Formats: sequence, C-alpha cells, structure tokens
Amino acid sequence: NAGVMQNPRHLVRRRGQEARLRCSPMKGHSHVYWYRQLPEEGLKFMVYLQKENIIDESGMPKERFSAEFPKEGPSILRIQQVVRGDSAAYFCASSPGWGNTEAFFGQGTRLTVV
Amino acid sequence: DQQVKQNSPSLSVQEGRISILNCDYTNSMFDYFLWYKKYPAEGPTFLISISSIKDKNEDGRFTVFLNKSAKHLSLHIVPSQPGDSAVYFCTSNTGKLIFGQGTTLQVKP
Repeated sequence: NAGVMQNPRHLVRRRGQEARLRCSPMKGHSHVYWYRQLPEEGLKFMVYLQKENIIDESGMPKERFSAEFPKEGPSILRIQQVVRGDSAAYFCASSPGWGNTEAFFGQGTRLTVV
Repeated sequence: DQQVKQNSPSLSVQEGRISILNCDYTNSMFDYFLWYKKYPAEGPTFLISISSIKDKNEDGRFTVFLNKSAKHLSLHIVPSQPGDSAVYFCTSNTGKLIFGQGTTLQVKP
C-alpha cells in the first residue's frame, strides 16, 4: 500500500510563474490536508479538502493560492504569480475520515522561487 | 492564536536516558492528540496518538500521557537512541491537524 505521494519533490519557478503541486493520497483515503513550512518555522495549516469539496481553507492566503481535490486524480495546490516569499516546503497529508484519526504525510515538495 | 503549544524549542539527552517532550493546549474541546517526528527534508511521520478517554497510551519505547485537567500532554521516549534525534510535533486533530511549533530533540551517543 503506497503512502502519500507528492510530486514533484523539488520545483523551481521564476517570479511571476505558476506552481502546481500534486498530492496522491493513500489508497482508501478521501481527506487531504495541505501544510506549508517556511524556513525556520513550524507546519502551518493551509487547507483541508474532501473529494470535490473544500472543508476548511482558513489557512490559505487570500490571493494567488487555490486547491482542489477532484473526484478522480490527485489533489492540486496551485500558486499563481509566485513570489520569493512563497519559497517553502509544502506537505500534503491524507486520512480516511474526519477527526479522531491519524493522518499520514507525503515527503513534501520544496518550492524555490528565483 | 496558538491552540497547541510546545514551549521548549529544543531538548538534549544522553543515549539510554529518558526524553520527555511536553505540549499544552488551550481548547478543552480537543479530544484526540497525535505526535509526529520529522527529519530534515522529509515529511512528518506519525508516532503515537491518544484519545481523551485515556490518560496513557504506550507503543514500544514511546508513551504519551494526557492530563485533561491541566490541558497538557507529554511524550516519553525510553531508552532514547541517537536515531530519535529529530523535530517532534504535537498535534490535535479537530478535523484538521493543529500543530505545535515543534521541539528539536538531540540524543547524544
């Protein structure tokens, strides 16, 4: 049973370009979470999705950031018009349900904006 | 508003001794807690969890204690090993994982 798969592992973008980060949850998991870790900081919640639904996006920046988890395919975190401050490690986690359950993380995508 | 707090940013212990990592939370409605371990450049790895109906959960060298009245939990690692050196995060799962700031544990040989 494969774990949570994130790709790419490393992504370099120039300022103003778009970044697309993908996350395939563990088999049987219908809940996906995205977190961001800035240098020297902890893990900050961004968004929580269920298939075809955004459950909680309270941690998402108001502009340029969006996320989706379609019925088929991976969850996508999209960052438009990237800026240097977007450089961070982005982690995805998945769980089988809501609440009292473990969530399992992918290895992350390290985004560098040059 | 930090609902889960790890007040010790770092901890250093000798191999073979006990490591105790602490975590405090503010919301009495939190009822499920998890500890994760994270190595540099890797994703967090789930270690152990505890439900609020328990005050202790043990898994091998790892034991988590929950004191609901004090809104405090702790992770005990005994005996500590050099491979345990990592950042440890305390979280509460309220439908989303709310992380503490992390404690960097260094286990010296």
